[in-house]
Amino acid sequence: EVQLVESGGGLIQPGGSLRLSCAASGFTVSSNYMSWVRQAPGKGLEWVSVIYSGGSTYYADSVKGRFTISRDNSKNTLYLQMNSLRAEDTAVYYCARSPGTTRDYWGQGTLVTVSS
Amino acid sequence: DIVMTQTPLSSPVTLGQPASISCRSSQSLVHSDGNTYLSWLQQRPGQPPRLLIYKISNRFSGVPDRFSGSGAGTDFTLKISRVEAEDVGVYYCMQATQRITFGQGTRLEIK
Repeated sequence: EVQLVESGGGLIQPGGSLRLSCAASGFTVSSNYMSWVRQAPGKGLEWVSVIYSGGSTYYADSVKGRFTISRDNSKNTLYLQMNSLRAEDTAVYYCARSPGTTRDYWGQGTLVTVSS
Repeated sequence: DIVMTQTPLSSPVTLGQPASISCRSSQSLVHSDGNTYLSWLQQRPGQPPRLLIYKISNRFSGVPDRFSGSGAGTDFTLKISRVEAEDVGVYYCMQATQRITFGQGTRLEIK
C-alpha cells in the first residue's frame, strides 16, 4: 500500500530553520518525481519544489535560495530543508508523488508556523 | 511562469444540477512531448488535494464518471454532470507542463 507520511512541522521563529521529512512506503521515492506543495491558512495551493528521478531539482521563486529539496534513497524519504523562514512561509506542507500523473499520491501534510 | 486563472471563484449549485469550472493558462500547455499536462484536483475541507482528472480529460482511478474534463491549448473545463453533496469543496486546475502552477481555486457549495 502506498503511503506518504510528512513530519517535522511545528512552531519556529522568523529566521529559523526546519527540516521536513516525507517517509514513503509501497514505492521507491527515487523512481518517481516528488514535489512539495504548500497551503497557507485559508489560501490556495502553491508549488514549492520538485526533485526528478534523475536528481534535478527546481524551486518556486518565493523559496529559491532558502529551501533545499533532497532525498535519502536508503531511507526512501524525501526532505525539505527550510532556512531563513519568514512569516509568509506559514502553511501546511504536502509531499506528493508525481502530481498530475497516473502515479499521483499526496500525503496528509504537516503544519509549519513561523511566528515570534 | 505559467499563470492559471480559474472562473468562477465561487459556484453555488443545486443538488442534482450540473456545474462547470473554467481554467485558462497564460501560455499553451502543450509539452514538447505532445502531451498537455493539465489536471483537476478536488480538496474537501480538512483533506489533502485529490486528483480527479489528468492530461485534460482522463479520469483518475476511482473518480466517478460524473466528472469530466475537456479543452485544449490554453482553455480547459471541468464539468460535474449532477452535483452530489460529497462534491462540496475547492477545485483547482494544475499545470505540470512547465514546473507546476495552480489556479486560485473554485469553491463549490450547495445552494
